[in-house]
Amino acid sequence: DGGITQSPKYLFRKEGQNVTLSCEQNLNHDAMYWYRQDPGQGLRLIYYSQIVNDFQKGDIAEGYSVSREKKESFPLTVTSAQKNPTAFYLCASTISGPLSYNEQFFGPGTRLTVL
Amino acid sequence: ILNVEQSPQSLHVQEGDSTNFTCSFPSSNFYALHWYRWETAKSPEALFVMTLNGDEKKKGRISATLNTKEGYSYLYIKGSQPEDSATYLCAFIGSSNTGKLIFGQGTTLQVKP
Repeated sequence: DGGITQSPKYLFRKEGQNVTLSCEQNLNHDAMYWYRQDPGQGLRLIYYSQIVNDFQKGDIAEGYSVSREKKESFPLTVTSAQKNPTAFYLCASTISGPLSYNEQFFGPGTRLTVL
Repeated sequence: ILNVEQSPQSLHVQEGDSTNFTCSFPSSNFYALHWYRWETAKSPEALFVMTLNGDEKKKGRISATLNTKEGYSYLYIKGSQPEDSATYLCAFIGSSNTGKLIFGQGTTLQVKP
């Protein structure tokens, strides 16, 4: 089945450690996105990529890094510079191109807890 | 940062009640508006993509309207059922950056049987 997978579902890390969250899609979508959700807040955009080997910062990129070496993969690294990394992280993808108002498809999310 | 507001933040209704929520967004530089439903333990799923002022979309008992001139969209649920319980998110796309969505904080609906 086509879709987006994120792993792991739950992740625990010690403060000061970098951690990488996986996001893979087999929908042949060009654009991929990382969002963060905190209690009582909407989804906030961390990074997005509209094409392989290119990505842009979202609204809350500080303390995060990404890569887009393959069309189907968009891993997110939460670095030790992120001051409050405990959150729920969602990955999404969409068909890009001129009609770029297309709906986004979301993965199941990763809940990161930093101890 | 552009502001997208949803109200109410949460809503409790009885089965069979009809209900509606509001999404407010910047009226200038409008490009598109999305509505998503996010059920507990599942991924958000798109309900509607709306692009034109006056758009009305319907999917079963759920419908949405769009007013881009005044910057709001309404989501209506007719005859709410327990399976409608979810968080409903709207997301705005501005013409200055069509690559990204700006989400509201969501409206959480709980339908009691």
